Amino acid sequence: NAGVTQTPKFQVLKTGQSMTLQCAQDMNHEYMSWYRQDPGMGLRLIHYSVGAGITDQGEVPNGYNVSRSTTEDFPLRLLSAAPSQTSVYFCASSYSFGTDTQYFGPGTRLTVL
Amino acid sequence: SQQGEEDPQALSIQEGENATMNCSYKTSINNLQWYRQNSGRGLVHLILIRSNEREKHSGRLRVTLDTSKKSSSLLITASRAADTASYFCATDPYGQNFVFGPGTRLSVLP
Repeated sequence: NAGVTQTPKFQVLKTGQSMTLQCAQDMNHEYMSWYRQDPGMGLRLIHYSVGAGITDQGEVPNGYNVSRSTTEDFPLRLLSAAPSQTSVYFCASSYSFGTDTQYFGPGTRLTVL
Repeated sequence: SQQGEEDPQALSIQEGENATMNCSYKTSINNLQWYRQNSGRGLVHLILIRSNEREKHSGRLRVTLDTSKKSSSLLITASRAADTASYFCATDPYGQNFVFGPGTRLSVLP
């Protein structure tokens, strides 16, 4: 199993550009989530999904969109990039919501100029 | 302070020594998890402890949970240079999505 994969690993955007961060898992997990990690702040939840077709907002959803058309994929879209979105983004999945181990992808380091 | 907050922020020890990190939280929880993050990598799950459990072991790791004090500790015994990483606790306030603390940076010197 590949586990949780994320692409790209690095990305530089200009302010106002849009892009999609890809996340896929091959463990048949129902629960998937996106976090951003900033220095000294731990991980903050952006959006999450408890199954295909179901998404919800986390702690810091503004400026991001998600969709979950399949169990395997959970892309994160930046609509109009801003310097405040410079961060490391992690995708995670688990078998179910709440009580299970989360498996994390390797992360995407995004810089917005 | 945040829902989950690790203490100390940074810890430096010699190889072979024990490392203890603490996590404090504010609300009732169902579960508490500890994760490790090596530099530039994703998080790796270490241990999950449920609110009705007081202690769990996994290899050289020992986790305790005191719900009356709203605190947990992670003990790494006989530390190795490979244990150098950041360690995060994650709590599920009121059984909702997990919230991560800012982490403890552990350096194990050879």
